[in-house]
Amino acid sequence: DIQMTQSPSSLSASVGDRVTITCQASQDIGNNLNWYQQKPGQAPKLLSHAASNLETGVPSRFSGSGSGTDFTFTISSLQPEDIATYYCQHYDSLPYIFGQGTKLEIK
Amino acid sequence: EVQLVESGGGLVKPGGSLRLSCAASGFTFSSYTMNWVRQAPGKGLEWVSSISSSSSHRYYANSLKGRFTVSRDNAKKSLYLQINSLRAEDTAVYYCARGPLTLWGQGILVTVSS
Repeated sequence: DIQMTQSPSSLSASVGDRVTITCQASQDIGNNLNWYQQKPGQAPKLLSHAASNLETGVPSRFSGSGSGTDFTFTISSLQPEDIATYYCQHYDSLPYIFGQGTKLEIK
Repeated sequence: EVQLVESGGGLVKPGGSLRLSCAASGFTFSSYTMNWVRQAPGKGLEWVSSISSSSSHRYYANSLKGRFTVSRDNAKKSLYLQINSLRAEDTAVYYCARGPLTLWGQGILVTVSS
């Protein structure tokens, strides 16, 4: 199985800060990677697919990059409504594996 | 509207069984592989099972084989998950999701407790 290592597990930042989350796959997954945002009591919301393709309606301050084994997800200017847990997930092959999650908090 | 709606959750005693359903609308259900994903309270996301569009291929997380059975009815645009011999550790919100998990339902809570 392909394993996903996501870091950091938690992050405290100030409004306006640039925030970066990383995800590393245990083997080459091309660009077969999703990023999700999950707020308490809600289903995960898909933010991007194919590593860097932002979903319709997702603010442009969010961006994803990377391919192969190393990926990053960036919020260019943190907003209060961005407080959530973020997950990466590969879909290169079954089983689909998620990163451990990054809990983002406002400093 | 494109959506997935889960149902069938609730409180079940250890050792019991449950059948979750997921109703699809707004897209051609029969064209997509479908999945179940779960999330235990306060924990991360765990892929549970996938079923191909024609039901010819079914896959399960290694840790769950034997107690979980995925099925679908394309005529009814519905996905199902039968869970037997329920354990406390199966307590979770169960989500159905389309394709490579690009569309999710709102989730349904399954609680296993005596």
